[in-house]
Amino acid sequence: GQQLNQSPQSMFIQEGEDVSMNCTSSSIFNTWLWYKQEPGEGPVLLIALYKAGELTSNGRLTAQFGITRKDSFLNISASIPSDVGIYFCAGQLAGNQFYFGTGTSLTVIP
Amino acid sequence: DAGVTQSPTHLIKTRGQQVTLRCSPKSGHDTVSWYQQALGQGPQFIFQYYEEEERQRGNFPDRFSGHQFPNYSSELNVNALLLGDSALYLCASSFDGELNEKLFFGSGTQLSVL
Repeated sequence: GQQLNQSPQSMFIQEGEDVSMNCTSSSIFNTWLWYKQEPGEGPVLLIALYKAGELTSNGRLTAQFGITRKDSFLNISASIPSDVGIYFCAGQLAGNQFYFGTGTSLTVIP
Repeated sequence: DAGVTQSPTHLIKTRGQQVTLRCSPKSGHDTVSWYQQALGQGPQFIFQYYEEEERQRGNFPDRFSGHQFPNYSSELNVNALLLGDSALYLCASSFDGELNEKLFFGSGTQLSVL
């Protein structure tokens, strides 16, 4: 199956700092989704992207669909303690299943 | 607006047993996908059901089977359980007629095989 590489694998940041993470693939995707997952819960959809170059925001979160269509980026501005969790990217080939990345674990230190 | 609901939330089984997990999709959704998430990993696609038929399947053995009912709810069955089947099983729903597809997940069923 397709492999999506997320980096960094984990991040430890101070409250108030900005966060950047990315997701890369060797395949071209038509859709990128970003999720946040907390312990014992299912992933919660944060942002959906459908066009190369698209930049979409959801509050303090901003995500971009890479121009090459092989990558996507998620930024979180002014982090707060409730941002703690694991962030997953998911890419979809045309009309196909979604493939998930390995996740970026975010810890925010108050 | 009811989201995706899964039952049970937790389950403990022994090797060789069979298990059935259940999922009700988000209101208005007609497609159900099942994922397996091992500890520390991203979700892995098992299969997808649409119009009561399996439409796509990931790299999982035939021990994993499913069903979709006329009301769009779905079941995941796993036979001859192995220790390696211990994982969080996630159900996700979507609407097939939506141009820009989104997946919405339930809270999952945590399966432990002893």
